[in-house]
Amino acid sequence: AQSVTQLDSHVSVSEGTPVLLRCNYSSSYSPSLFWYVQHPNKGLQLLLKYTSAATLVKGINGFEAEFKKSETSFHLTKPSAHMSDAAEYFCVVRGGSGYSTLTFGKGTMLLVSP
Amino acid sequence: DAGVIQSPRHEVTEMGQEVTLRCKPISGHNSLFWYRQTMMRGLELLIYFNNNVPIDDSGMPEDRFSAKMPNASFSTLKIQPSEPRDSAVYFCASSLTTSGINEQFFGPGTRLTVL
Repeated sequence: AQSVTQLDSHVSVSEGTPVLLRCNYSSSYSPSLFWYVQHPNKGLQLLLKYTSAATLVKGINGFEAEFKKSETSFHLTKPSAHMSDAAEYFCVVRGGSGYSTLTFGKGTMLLVSP
Repeated sequence: DAGVIQSPRHEVTEMGQEVTLRCKPISGHNSLFWYRQTMMRGLELLIYFNNNVPIDDSGMPEDRFSAKMPNASFSTLKIQPSEPRDSAVYFCASSLTTSGINEQFFGPGTRLTVL
């Protein structure tokens, strides 16, 4: 079985400072990992995905995440936060192949202050 | 492409009424997923289809919930009778499931309020 733990329910940063959203995973298989973002009253949008290629994955809007197998982590980072980054972020794991389902973390709300 | 389309965007109904949520997946996608999002439980997978066939409905809460996918371009999620605890945002997502790793594309959701 697979699971994800997002270590912070809320993260507050100032505009222009770095962002770190933490995620640990558990998977019986070699995992596929994703980060999704959800802006208020919107659907979920894929930020980036890890699929056993490069361990450092670059996504949209300047976000990136590093897969660390030894730490079972897949933390999301961005060098400089923008006001428009304020949203909820979900770390997601999928194991197996084909028909496998996604398991979502509880989400981390990112707050960005001026 | 217009993306995944869901209707209605908002639904307010009274307890005991039947509710039908609709989803049109992205053209060409062969997998469709229904999720429910609440503050208490986060995002939960209710059911998913592959090539219009239900593959796993273990997330469907109870018999009051049913889902159909009569063709590749349309799916419904029905709640009958509805209860206040069904109030949530319901998302539909679709993907093209092949041997590779395929992300799911989400619709904007239907916000359901059962009074």
